[in-house]
Amino acid sequence: DAKTTQPNSMESNEEEPVHLPCNHSTISGTDYIHWYRQLPSQGPEYVIHGLTSNVNNRMASLAIAEDRKSSTLILHRATLRDAAVYYCILRPGNTGKLIFGQGTTLQVKP
Amino acid sequence: DTEVTQTPKHLVMGMTNKKSLKCEQHMGHRAMYWYKQKAKKPPELMFVYSYEKLSINESVPSRFSPECPNSSLLNLHLHALQPEDSALYLCASSPRTVSYEQYFGPGTRLTVT
Repeated sequence: DAKTTQPNSMESNEEEPVHLPCNHSTISGTDYIHWYRQLPSQGPEYVIHGLTSNVNNRMASLAIAEDRKSSTLILHRATLRDAAVYYCILRPGNTGKLIFGQGTTLQVKP
Repeated sequence: DTEVTQTPKHLVMGMTNKKSLKCEQHMGHRAMYWYKQKAKKPPELMFVYSYEKLSINESVPSRFSPECPNSSLLNLHLHALQPEDSALYLCASSPRTVSYEQYFGPGTRLTVT
C-alpha cells in the first residue's frame, strides 16, 4: 500500500489561510487522495477528496500536483473550531480501504 | 439521521472476559468498517463488511471476531484480549465500499486489564 507523509504539527492564526501539505510519492494511478480531520474526542470527519484535478467544497480546497506525488489541503479562513488532526489518506480506487497517514496537528491561535 | 452510534462509550475488561462492541447506523449504508486507534496514532483498518459479508480482514488476530447481523448493525466480539489491545475502537459506514465519504462514530474506549 502506498503511504503518505505529513508534518507533525502546524500553527495558524485565526481568519488566515492554512496550507497543509502531504507527500505521497508512491501513489498508484487508481489511488484517490482523501483528507479527513479528527477533533478531540471525536471520530474522523470527511473533509474532501480528489483523483487528479483540484477540488473545492464548502469546507476546503484540495490542490493536487500534476504528477500526483503531493497534494495540499487549503483552509481558506481558519477558525478556532478548525483545530484538529488532519489526515491525508490514500484509498485504492476499487476498495473502501482508507490508508491513514500520521496526521498533522493544526493549532489555530486567536 | 447521519449518525453512527457506538456502545458502550467506555469498556474495561479483564484478559479472560468476553465482551462485545456494538455499532449502529440508519442511513441505509451497505458498507461498515472497524478501525483501531492507539493514543496519538492514526486509525488502522481492521475489517470491512460489504452487504453484510466480510470483504477485508487486515490480518487481525482471532481474539477479535466481527459480525454483521443485518445492514444496520455491526458487532465486534472480544475474547482473551491482551493489555496492548487497549485502544479506541472506531466504527464507520458508507453507502458502498467505493463511496468517497465514510461516516465515523465517536468510538469505544477499551481498556484491557
